[in-house]
Amino acid sequence: NAGVTQTPKFQVLKTGQSMTLQCAQDMNHEYMSWYRQDPGMGLRLIHYSVGAGITDQGEVPNGYNVSRSTTEDFPLRLLSAAPSQTSVYFCASSPKGYEQYFGPGTRLTVT
Amino acid sequence: EDQVTQSPEALRLQEGESSSLNCSYTVSGLRGLFWYRQDPGKGPEFLFTLYSAGEEKEKERLKATLTKKESFLHITAPKPEDSATYLCAVHTTDSWGKLQFGAGTQVVVTP
Repeated sequence: NAGVTQTPKFQVLKTGQSMTLQCAQDMNHEYMSWYRQDPGMGLRLIHYSVGAGITDQGEVPNGYNVSRSTTEDFPLRLLSAAPSQTSVYFCASSPKGYEQYFGPGTRLTVT
Repeated sequence: EDQVTQSPEALRLQEGESSSLNCSYTVSGLRGLFWYRQDPGKGPEFLFTLYSAGEEKEKERLKATLTKKESFLHITAPKPEDSATYLCAVHTTDSWGKLQFGAGTQVVVTP
C-alpha cells in the first residue's frame, strides 16, 4: 500500500492564481481531511469528508474548496491564492475518523 | 471553547536523559487523545490513542498516559533518533472526525 499520497510536493503561485492540491489514498478509508500547518500554530483543519459525496468545513475553510467524487481522492482547490495561504498542507485519511494517517505534505508559497 | 496546550515548546535532552512532555486539554467531552511524531519535512506519524483517564500505552521508549485534564508522553532513556516534534490532538464528542491539535513540542536528543 502506498498509503496517503500528495502532489505536488512543492508549489509557488502568484497572488490570484488558482490551483488544485491532489490527495489520494489506497486504504479504502471513508474519512479524509485537509490540514494546514503554520509555525507556532499547529495543524488546523480546513475541510473534511466522511465519505464520497459528503464534505464539510473545518476551522479555516475560507479560500478553499473541496469535493469527493470517489473514496480514493480528495482534492483541495485554492480559488484565488493569497500570501496568507502560504503554508504546508497535509492530507489525512482514517477508517473511522479517529486515528488519522497523514500524507507527506505540499509546501505552498504564494508571492 | 476547546483548547489543547503543549509544554514545553522545545526540549533538549542528553542521550539517556529521561523526560516528559505535557498536553493539557479543555474540552466539552473527550472521545480520544492522540499522540503523533513529526520529523522535519514529513507528515505526522501516528503513535498512540488514549480514550479514558488512567489508560496507558507504550511503544519502545515512549509511554503515553492520560488523566481527566492532561496527557503525558514519557521518553525513557532517549536516543538521538527520538529527535522530532511531538504533537497531541483531541477528538471531542461534539465534533466527530475533527481533530484539534496542540502546537507541538520539539525534542532534540544529543549524543
